Amino acid sequence: DSGVTQTPKHLITATGQRVTLRCSPRSGDLSVYWYQQSLDQGLQFLIQYYNGEERAKGNILERFSAQQFPDLHSELNLSSLELGDSALYFCASSVGTGDGYTFGSGTRLTVV
Amino acid sequence: KNEVEQSPQNLTAQEGEFITINCSYSVGISALHWLQQHPGGGIVSLFMLSSGKKKHGRLIATINIQEKHSSLHITASHPRDSAVYICAVSVYTGGFKTIFGAGTRLFVKA
Repeated sequence: DSGVTQTPKHLITATGQRVTLRCSPRSGDLSVYWYQQSLDQGLQFLIQYYNGEERAKGNILERFSAQQFPDLHSELNLSSLELGDSALYFCASSVGTGDGYTFGSGTRLTVV
Repeated sequence: KNEVEQSPQNLTAQEGEFITINCSYSVGISALHWLQQHPGGGIVSLFMLSSGKKKHGRLIATINIQEKHSSLHITASHPRDSAVYICAVSVYTGGFKTIFGAGTRLFVKA
C-alpha cells in the first residue's frame, strides 16, 4: 500500500455520462497530480494541485475538471464521456511541489 | 519529436545481465524521474534526480544535465525486474508539469 488511495478501482459507464474519481493523498503530502494512461497516448499529465490551489495544467480536456478540498483529497470529474476517455487514471502525491511522487493504484475507466 | 525520448522501446535480457535504459530530453527540467510499472498496472517511483547519481539496491540512475541525458542501470537482472520503465521530467510552469517518455518494456528470462 503506497498510502495514496484512489477510488473506485474500476468503473464502467456509458457514453455521455459523468463520473467522479477520488484520490486521497499520502498523509502529510500537500500536492496532488492527476494523470491519464491510454493505450495509444501513454501517460499524460492532466493537472496539479498544491494545498487546494491549482498549480499546473497539462493536456486536460475542457470536459474534465478537478479540485482539491480542504482535507487535501482531490476529485477528478469527467463529463460527456466518450469512448476515447477509456483509460487508467492515476493520482500521485508529493510533500511539496517538485518533490518525488507516490502513485495510487489507479482507476480503470471503461466507457461503453 | 517527443520532448522525452527513451531507448530501447523493448529489451529482452537473460537473468544476470547488466541492463541499461536511456532517456534524453529536450526541455529545461527541474528534476527527472524513473518509474516502474508492473503488468498489473501499478506505478512505483524508483528515483528522482536533479544531478549526479543515485543507487538503490541493484538499480543505479545517473543524469547529465549538460547533455540532457539520463540512464537507468540494473545490475544482476532478475525475472522479477520484468516491467515497463518510464522516464519522466518535471518542468516548472508555476507548478510542476510532468512529461513522460513512452517507456521501455523489459523482459528478463530465467
